[in-house]
Amino acid sequence: QVQLVQSGAEVKKPGASVKVSCQASGYTFASYDISWVRQAPGQGLEWMGWMNPNSGNTGYTQKFQGTVTMTSDTAKSTAYMELSSLRSEDTAVYYCARLDNWNGHYWGQGTLVTVSS
Amino acid sequence: QAVVTQEPSLTVSPGGTVTLTCGSTTGAVTGGHYPSWFQQKPGQAPRTLIYGTSNKHSWTPARFSGSLLGGKAALTLSGAQPDDEAEYYCLLSYSGTRVFGTGTKVTVL
Repeated sequence: QVQLVQSGAEVKKPGASVKVSCQASGYTFASYDISWVRQAPGQGLEWMGWMNPNSGNTGYTQKFQGTVTMTSDTAKSTAYMELSSLRSEDTAVYYCARLDNWNGHYWGQGTLVTVSS
Repeated sequence: QAVVTQEPSLTVSPGGTVTLTCGSTTGAVTGGHYPSWFQQKPGQAPRTLIYGTSNKHSWTPARFSGSLLGGKAALTLSGAQPDDEAEYYCLLSYSGTRVFGTGTKVTVL
């Protein structure tokens, strides 16, 4: 069965960077894009962008261009999302997801990132 | 960027039927937007109910169904149960980008 397992919670200071991992299993990792979604406390879901593990191609929403980097290690079947220049507004739960319009959508369990001085 | 709109809140009686809708500021929602629906309960990750307008995962209860209705995507819950009380989000695809809806809080009362 498809599973996405994310790394644990992080606490960072403003201006720092954070890197969240997402290990996939149960399918051929390189065959599907991975998306990253964030949810600020008490707020809705926000799609940040996608990454193709096979080609390395990425696409980010305008809001996150310049601050987010999505990468992968196909040997480890793991995707990564790095967010830099953290601000308190970046405090949120970050989800990785395999969003495929034809084969269904699968979610990681989420990683809480807290930005606090 | 498109804004995807949903009803802020809806209430349904146990055993009743409720329809949630998902609209786009760019115009009518079509199958080409591959509408998806997710259920989220407090403190939990989203759970996919519907993808590609009307396709269900193996875990999707039969009482949930997806469709297109009047230029919007729709999620219908027939025979609501107390466990269905949750936040529901839709997701639309637009030429390489995706946008989540604003969410609908469904109360079973």
